[in-house]
Amino acid sequence: GQQVMQIPQYQHVQEGEDFTTYCNSSTTLSNIQWYKQRPGGHPVFLIQLVKSGEVKKQKRLTFQFGEAKKNSSLHITATQTTDVGTYFCFGNEKLTFGTGTRLTIIP
Amino acid sequence: GAVVSQHPSWVICKSGTSVKIECRSLDFQATTMFWYRQFPKQSLMLMATSNEGSKATYEQGVEKDKFLINHASLTLSTLTVTSAHPEDSSFYICSANAYVGVGETQYFGPGTRLLVL
Repeated sequence: GQQVMQIPQYQHVQEGEDFTTYCNSSTTLSNIQWYKQRPGGHPVFLIQLVKSGEVKKQKRLTFQFGEAKKNSSLHITATQTTDVGTYFCFGNEKLTFGTGTRLTIIP
Repeated sequence: GAVVSQHPSWVICKSGTSVKIECRSLDFQATTMFWYRQFPKQSLMLMATSNEGSKATYEQGVEKDKFLINHASLTLSTLTVTSAHPEDSSFYICSANAYVGVGETQYFGPGTRLLVL
């Protein structure tokens, strides 16, 4: 079955530093979605990428979809305490969440 | 936007009892809803796909007789954890598909935290 791995599993950064999480699928994806889950909360939709090589930005967040549509990344510039949470990628075909990257911020 | 609600938001029950969790799509119709389970510090795992008017499809390793799913209308799916045991304690989340822009997007409910004593 489809496997979606994310690295790193955990990331601790100083406030103001950048953060990147990488998502790799064992199979090609027609699209990929990213979600953020705050501690104690539920996953909240961030964005969907559809095209090969697509890059989308949301303020300090930059999302990329790989050329082969098997990997994706989320980059946060100048992290803030509000960025704390676990970031999941999600492959819609097999309804498979990535393993997640938990981001903690050191004020 | 598409809103999905869940009820209850948390429940504590005794071992051996059954617990029903409701998932509703508030402003759209969902012929398909999905049920996930998340254990602490782990990712969300798909348990089953709920289809309106037909039987649910369960993922490998999920007991259909233990996790009863009913999707009686286009806006409501229910998950009943029968004869709950402490190992069933988890965060249960439902989602429904909505078409946004170029493709489907999953909209998640706020989740139900189940604690079985």
